[in-house]
Amino acid sequence: DTGVSQNPRHKITKRGQNVTFRCDPISEHNRLYWYRQTLGQGPEFLTYFQNEAQLEKSRLLSDRFSAERPKGSFSTLEIQRTEQGDSAMYLCASIPLASGIETQYFGPGTRLLVL
Amino acid sequence: GEDVEQSLFLSVREGDSSVINCTYTDSSSTYLYWYKQEPGAGLQLLTYIFSNMDMKQDQRLTVLLNKKDKHLSLRIADTQTGDSAIYFCAASETSYDKVIFGPGTSLSVIP
Repeated sequence: DTGVSQNPRHKITKRGQNVTFRCDPISEHNRLYWYRQTLGQGPEFLTYFQNEAQLEKSRLLSDRFSAERPKGSFSTLEIQRTEQGDSAMYLCASIPLASGIETQYFGPGTRLLVL
Repeated sequence: GEDVEQSLFLSVREGDSSVINCTYTDSSSTYLYWYKQEPGAGLQLLTYIFSNMDMKQDQRLTVLLNKKDKHLSLRIADTQTGDSAIYFCAASETSYDKVIFGPGTSLSVIP
């Protein structure tokens, strides 16, 4: 257990439904990242928050995806009108403001299956 | 943008050394990383090296960087069955920037 928690751990949904995932970073970790990992591939960057500000979004994050971190603590990632291609593991990671990636911790991920 | 490549599979006998190779394309990548992912477990940062270094050793792990060729390697000495996992090479421009991952090398250790 790295201290970064993600819920749910697994989600099965039908194509066209909306899903929302939650990430709770380690307390006082100001930076929070979302990645997506498909089977047999490395994680791909989706978006990054510093406190509540969303500082960078990947082109992978289509308009069906939205991420928030309203109070600078937990974050949510919502996918609207899910497609089968959205099936993947969604990973969250956090880093303290005063440190770099050497203190980064990943959560266990949310595995999404879109039928 | 950055592109990271690595061989997909490696099989070694227990007790031998493993060497996993990686190439990257963006010379502005300042931080280079090796992550480990075990089945059902999260992604774990194993070690990292700054681009101004040639080598870093950490217990059984040795990272070599050839900045001219943009080639990174991870050597695991005395490989154990517990080292069986997927190893990802990764790069970033700053210590807090997004990380670009390679496809991963699946290491199998034969007892």
